[in-house]
Amino acid sequence: NAGVTQTPKFQVLKTGQSMTLQCAQDMNHNSMYWYRQDPGMGLRLIYYSASEGTTDKGEVPNGYNVSRLNKREFSLRLESAAPSQTSVYFCASTESTEAQPQHFGDGTRLSIL
Amino acid sequence: QKEVEQNSGPLSVPEGAIASLNCTYSDRGSQSFFWYRQYSGKSPELIMSIYSNGDKEDGRFTAQLNKASQYVSLLIRDSQPSDSATYLCAVRNYGQNFVFGPGTRLSVLP
Repeated sequence: NAGVTQTPKFQVLKTGQSMTLQCAQDMNHNSMYWYRQDPGMGLRLIYYSASEGTTDKGEVPNGYNVSRLNKREFSLRLESAAPSQTSVYFCASTESTEAQPQHFGDGTRLSIL
Repeated sequence: QKEVEQNSGPLSVPEGAIASLNCTYSDRGSQSFFWYRQYSGKSPELIMSIYSNGDKEDGRFTAQLNKASQYVSLLIRDSQPSDSATYLCAVRNYGQNFVFGPGTRLSVLP
């Protein structure tokens, strides 16, 4: 029972490099989310996808792009990494109905030098 | 004004005591409320959900909701050192999004 799987778990980038964080869920959930978590800031929503084929900006979308590849997969891309994007990134998924909680992946720890 | 507020802590309680964690929210349309536990370096883990006013108990955990006061709390009875973690309050309204509080760090002292 994998749940939500994120890859990679750790990554170090140089400023200006690009990379894609991968997320896949096997719970047949419609909605998927990308968050970043910084010390003292809590979880901040970057982008979300309410259903396959749709994506919307969250609270902190600048510098990121997303792709909802299919119902299972939701990727986050940093086109030109900046030190301010050093953070822990969490992917989450849930059913569409309001009563359902989110399930989180293990996170990706990203450092940008 | 932050949409979901929590005391950042740390909240320190002795082993065996009751830990009380509080959360207030600003959106009166909020319908679903969740408590997550997050150990250092790990991902958030759901421990309680509550949807209607009153108390909901699960083992040593009790969630309390008061929609009129826009207040939700989590009580941990017989606190153990293994309960030491950050507790995140999350609120969901009619939309797709969840709003998380900044979390309260709990330390249970042996």
